[in-house]
Amino acid sequence: DSGVTQTPKHLITATGQRVTLRCSPRSGDLSVYWYQQSLDQGLQFLIQYYNGEERAKGNILERFSAQQFPDLHSELNLSSLELGDSALYFCASSRGGQGHYNEQFFGPGTRLTVL
Amino acid sequence: AQSVTQLGSHVSVSEGALVLLRCNYSSSVPPYLFWYVQYPNQGLQLLLKYTTGATLVKGINGFEAEFKKSETSFHLTKPSAHMSDAAEYFCAVSGGSSNTGKLIFGQGTTLQVKP
Repeated sequence: DSGVTQTPKHLITATGQRVTLRCSPRSGDLSVYWYQQSLDQGLQFLIQYYNGEERAKGNILERFSAQQFPDLHSELNLSSLELGDSALYFCASSRGGQGHYNEQFFGPGTRLTVL
Repeated sequence: AQSVTQLGSHVSVSEGALVLLRCNYSSSVPPYLFWYVQYPNQGLQLLLKYTTGATLVKGINGFEAEFKKSETSFHLTKPSAHMSDAAEYFCAVSGGSSNTGKLIFGQGTTLQVKP
């Protein structure tokens, strides 16, 4: 158990819908990262928040957005869903803002299926 | 830009045999390198990391990796494979000029261990 929790574990929805994925980092960790894992794209970095502020952005679509709340949990919002958004979405957390000094601990992921 | 290439999407070894998983990276700045393991239906777990210092890095479960700057490689090895090592392995790079810990992952290598 990494100490990072993600809810829900599974999500099945239809095209055009909007969903919210939730992540609670390990106690004391200030950074939250979101990654998408799909068969065709592999593991891709989406976005990082550090202590409530956006720190880095990767290949995140405009239809996707995220935020980190004062209690440090984070939410990833996916809207106007398409079939291609079906993937495993991981959240990771680390103590600081720079991952090479701070190990990233990964949650178990949320599997999103868009029908 | 940084990138990671893992040679071989599938590697099969016999139990007790040497495990060698190959990783080459591209980075314009000193890289920070990681190996993660993903067991079925689980998140990623850090096996080992290289930041600075000793180029031979030892990790958990008997794995080790050697950073070779001249070859831009960070291959993962284990002297004797165990059935429990069957999983997917990801090489990743972090660092660069940006103040972020985002990880850039390779495509992954699935390790099969035959009895």
